[in-house]
Amino acid sequence: DTAVSQTPKYLVTQMGNDKSIKCEQNLGHDTMYWYKQDSKKFLKIMFSYNNKELIINETVPNRFSPKSPDKAHLNLHINSLELGDSAVYFCASRGQASGRNTGELFFGEGSRLTVL
Amino acid sequence: GDSVTQMEGPVTLSEEAFLTINCTYTATGYPSLFWYVQYPGEGLQLLLKATKADDKGSNKGFEATYRKETTSFHLEKGSVQVSDSAVYFCALRPGGGSQGNLIFGKGTKLSVKP
Repeated sequence: DTAVSQTPKYLVTQMGNDKSIKCEQNLGHDTMYWYKQDSKKFLKIMFSYNNKELIINETVPNRFSPKSPDKAHLNLHINSLELGDSAVYFCASRGQASGRNTGELFFGEGSRLTVL
Repeated sequence: GDSVTQMEGPVTLSEEAFLTINCTYTATGYPSLFWYVQYPGEGLQLLLKATKADDKGSNKGFEATYRKETTSFHLEKGSVQVSDSAVYFCALRPGGGSQGNLIFGKGTKLSVKP
């Protein structure tokens, strides 16, 4: 069983379109994230979502909107896609840490978005 | 603010060579430190971690020691294999607490040639 799964794995679309990426985790974790990885492999956190509280990174354009129908899902919707949105988007989840458990992040395999 | 700096790649080595990827950090308090690895076409996965000064994390032949005096967490492996080719990310969780978000370095790409 895949712990954190994202769909689609590849997405090619035209500028101006609206698209969504879905993420599901079966680990029972409380916290989920979206990260953007650019062509140089730099990882940037976009959002974190913990028990119905959404924490938005202020540098993310408001064309990006996360939606969490329940604790196991955090989807990413992108409006009016731009060329600069081309990247790999990673979903991740993290459980409640306790004791020496530092709350390891579990990542999905990524969704490669190409905007033409 | 808290940050992680790791050596720029790409790093290209021959099989069985010794590997060091440098990582230094800036943080207040006592962060937890991590190395994540990203194999081609995959997501990141935890390689090793250390939660306090002088702790040594180890996994799959890789090691890193939490050095508070030099604010470093360098990744080492005595003999790399072609299968170790990947991008390696150093990361910290601020304050040593368990609830903060991870801060990642920019990643170092390692290529191992047969």
